[in-house]
Amino acid sequence: AQSVSQHNHHVILSEAASLELGCNYSYGGTVNLFWYVQYPGQHLQLLLKYFSGDPLVKGIKGFEAEFIKSKFSFNLRKPSVQWSDTAEYFCAVNAEGGSQGNLIFGKGTKLSVKP
Amino acid sequence: NAGVTQTPKFRVLKTGQSMTLLCAQDMNHEYMYWYRQDPGMGLRLIHYSVGEGTTAKGEVPDGYNVSRLKKQNFLLGLESAAPSQTSVYFCASSSSGGTFSSTDTQYFGPGTRLTVL
Repeated sequence: AQSVSQHNHHVILSEAASLELGCNYSYGGTVNLFWYVQYPGQHLQLLLKYFSGDPLVKGIKGFEAEFIKSKFSFNLRKPSVQWSDTAEYFCAVNAEGGSQGNLIFGKGTKLSVKP
Repeated sequence: NAGVTQTPKFRVLKTGQSMTLLCAQDMNHEYMYWYRQDPGMGLRLIHYSVGEGTTAKGEVPDGYNVSRLKKQNFLLGLESAAPSQTSVYFCASSSSGGTFSSTDTQYFGPGTRLTVL
């Protein structure tokens, strides 16, 4: 069965620090990859997505992610975090041949940014 | 364009009571989904629908039923609520899913926080 692993449960950073959140998935075929963000008390919003082409994907609010197929990874990065980036981040995978439209989510990583 | 809306926002039930959560989308999306979100568990798919009149089971369907009588609405029902169903429920929709196209982005509603006592 497909699965998504997010290795960090809770990350605490100071403002201006660099961020990298890990995401690995288990599926050998073609995948679509997503990062969603959930700010406190709000619903999930799409940060960025990868479907094909350039493996380095740029999203909103200065986030980017790199798809490394050989490592089954899709890590999220931001060079300099802000207090407003405090949120929970979810990686998700939609695999070709999987049940229709079914996104498999990781368990999430909470990011706390200290001012 | 409101996107995906959910009603109610909050609800408290007693064990054994029933209720229906409503999800509505105005994007003419074919696919709709119900997830539950629990601390440390991420989001898990309960049921989904690939079009009006169709429904299918997701990862955690037990104790829930769904209906998609109209394309824009997707209802989630709890016939006999249990404390284990205390959770935040999110609805989502997407324009497609089975075609695995670049439009396969799911848009989420604001969530319903359900407590079962």
